[in-house]
Amino acid sequence: GAGVSQTPSNKVTEKGKYVELRCDPISGHTALYWYRQSLGQGPEFLIYFQGTGAADDSGLPNDRFFAVRPEGSVSTLKIQRTERGDSAVYLCASSLTGDRGTGELFFGEGSRLTVL
Amino acid sequence: SQQGEEDPQALSIQEGENATMNCSYKTSINNLQWYRQNSGRGLVHLILIRSNEREKHSGRLRVTLDTSKKSSSLLITASRAADTASYFCAWNSGGYQKVTFGTGTKLQVIP
Repeated sequence: GAGVSQTPSNKVTEKGKYVELRCDPISGHTALYWYRQSLGQGPEFLIYFQGTGAADDSGLPNDRFFAVRPEGSVSTLKIQRTERGDSAVYLCASSLTGDRGTGELFFGEGSRLTVL
Repeated sequence: SQQGEEDPQALSIQEGENATMNCSYKTSINNLQWYRQNSGRGLVHLILIRSNEREKHSGRLRVTLDTSKKSSSLLITASRAADTASYFCAWNSGGYQKVTFGTGTKLQVIP
């Protein structure tokens, strides 16, 4: 597709369950970002991929969160043993990156996760 | 936020008026960007200003950057009801590609 695609758009799960959120970036974009956004807040950085490798995962809140990008395109954010505090909108963005610094991020519509 | 702040948190103006939003950050930066987010949607890039630039224009948008004060402002001139949204600044610094977002300003333009 032309833009960043995220699935599912909505996910309701029970506390303790495992969840996977998928992001399909713009074709050719080497950089991929995951953010988490709570109501009324700015996006909170989780992890950044350059190609297949996680270049910066400093924003992952704990070891229940994990993300992969095995072929340098589609990425999956995995949350184990979900807690109610994990409820948020999870945003994915992709970008072309230059030699230094980052240009425009292209965002998907987000996956809204609700943990009951 | 330990990373930066935006003010005001919320702004309500009449259509036709100008809207000014401010962003402060705490690190040296490579560039600063502004994004817009309609309620329940993803973010859309508006404008990017590099650390060696002081002012940039795009249509009704004017962005300034003062690296000595670690601050930026976004001015929307002749606002329209369709400008109603949340606006976020974002920056990256050093050799890192990590992009950090501010806390956002919620703008309401009353027709």
